[in-house]
Amino acid sequence: EDKVVQSPLSLVVHEGDTVTLNCSYEVTNFRSLLWYKQEKKAPTFLFMLTSSGIEKKSGRLSSILDKKELFSILNITATQTGDSAIYLCAVELTGGYQKVTFGIGTKLQVIP
Amino acid sequence: NAGVMQNPRHLVRRRGQEARLRCSPMKGHSHVYWYRQLPEEGLKFMVYLQKENIIDESGMPKERFSAEFPKEGPSILRIQQVVRGDSAAYFCASSHGRGENTEAFFGQGTRLTVV
Repeated sequence: EDKVVQSPLSLVVHEGDTVTLNCSYEVTNFRSLLWYKQEKKAPTFLFMLTSSGIEKKSGRLSSILDKKELFSILNITATQTGDSAIYLCAVELTGGYQKVTFGIGTKLQVIP
Repeated sequence: NAGVMQNPRHLVRRRGQEARLRCSPMKGHSHVYWYRQLPEEGLKFMVYLQKENIIDESGMPKERFSAEFPKEGPSILRIQQVVRGDSAAYFCASSHGRGENTEAFFGQGTRLTVV
């Protein structure tokens, strides 16, 4: 069975801290790895990673994929209270469409 | 350009009733995906539809659940004879195609509570 495991399950940090969220996966027919941010609403897309070793960056967020070791990390630097959310990692399978397997998420709380 | 619209946002049903969840994809999107998020669990794929076609329903429970995406109107996820275990958040996502780097956009979800 396809599996996506995220760690830690929850994290509390102070504003300004840097956090690293982990995602490991065991799937057949890997196509891409996706990161989403879920607040009290729809998951919003952060990154899509398809190639190993290429860092993707968006502001204070960055992510990288290791296809050999089957994991990805999401880094958030200089955290702000607005970063508080559940961060979902998902793996998209081949088949040409968004059939994805999601992890349970990492709940991040940033306190002032 | 409105995003993916789901309604209702919250739905309460008694055991045995039917639940209908609606999803209007983003303008120009013809691919719709439904996911279910049970409490303390990750989002799980249920079904993938294109207009008038079910492409992959491998994540749908075998009984009581059905989905459609008619030529006109929203996609509907229908749950008959709901049970307490159906209580969950149901998310719909849409995309414009199925090629590489195709991003899916999510609706805000329908939270179904079965009492």
